[in-house]
Amino acid sequence: DQQVKQNSPSLSVQEGRISILNCDYTNSMFDYFLWYKKYPAEGPTFLISISSIKDKNEDGRFTVFLNKSAKHLSLHIVPSQPGDSAVYFCAAVNYGGATNKLIFGTGTLLAVQP
Amino acid sequence: DTEVTQTPKHLVMGMTNKKSLKCEQHMGHRAMYWYKQKAKKPPELMFVYSYEKLSINESVPSRFSPECPNSSLLNLHLHALQPEDSALYLCASSQDQGTNNSPLHFGNGTRLTVT
Repeated sequence: DQQVKQNSPSLSVQEGRISILNCDYTNSMFDYFLWYKKYPAEGPTFLISISSIKDKNEDGRFTVFLNKSAKHLSLHIVPSQPGDSAVYFCAAVNYGGATNKLIFGTGTLLAVQP
Repeated sequence: DTEVTQTPKHLVMGMTNKKSLKCEQHMGHRAMYWYKQKAKKPPELMFVYSYEKLSINESVPSRFSPECPNSSLLNLHLHALQPEDSALYLCASSQDQGTNNSPLHFGNGTRLTVT
């Protein structure tokens, strides 16, 4: 049972344009959401996070939006740069739960074309 | 450079071998994690250590044996593995387990191949 889903396995965007990566979740108990970026042959790198009490968090070119009623979050990257090309994982956790376990989505491969 | 260091980067082992994966962090983090990632799949949690004590074992087979000798080191001992255990093994650490503003920091992983 995949509690965190990224339905787009890949996304291609032109340099300078906006990249929008989407993530859906099923467990309403999740109270914290994170985005990680992963380059080949490297481990995931933390990018940005958002608490369930907020609907937006911004850090430079990266903004995460959370729609709790729709159980949906998205990561916006603007402007996109070729160096942003990587696999992006959405992750969710219930810090009030018994295990505090981070659940990852299946990832979206972003390709930013020069 | 990642602040979580994993060795070796690559490991090929036979099904009868015994080997160990090592992980080290010097960020003063008190929670350390082992994840397993198969190709085109998300990382899956295996074990969590909090303050050097095992706090989560995600029903991992006993052929995987974790060890936390001190707050900076985390090992994963491997014995009698199967070919389907071939995967990328990721170590991670965080300031604490189970608090926000404490994201996981991952190492670059060990690519394990079981022949």
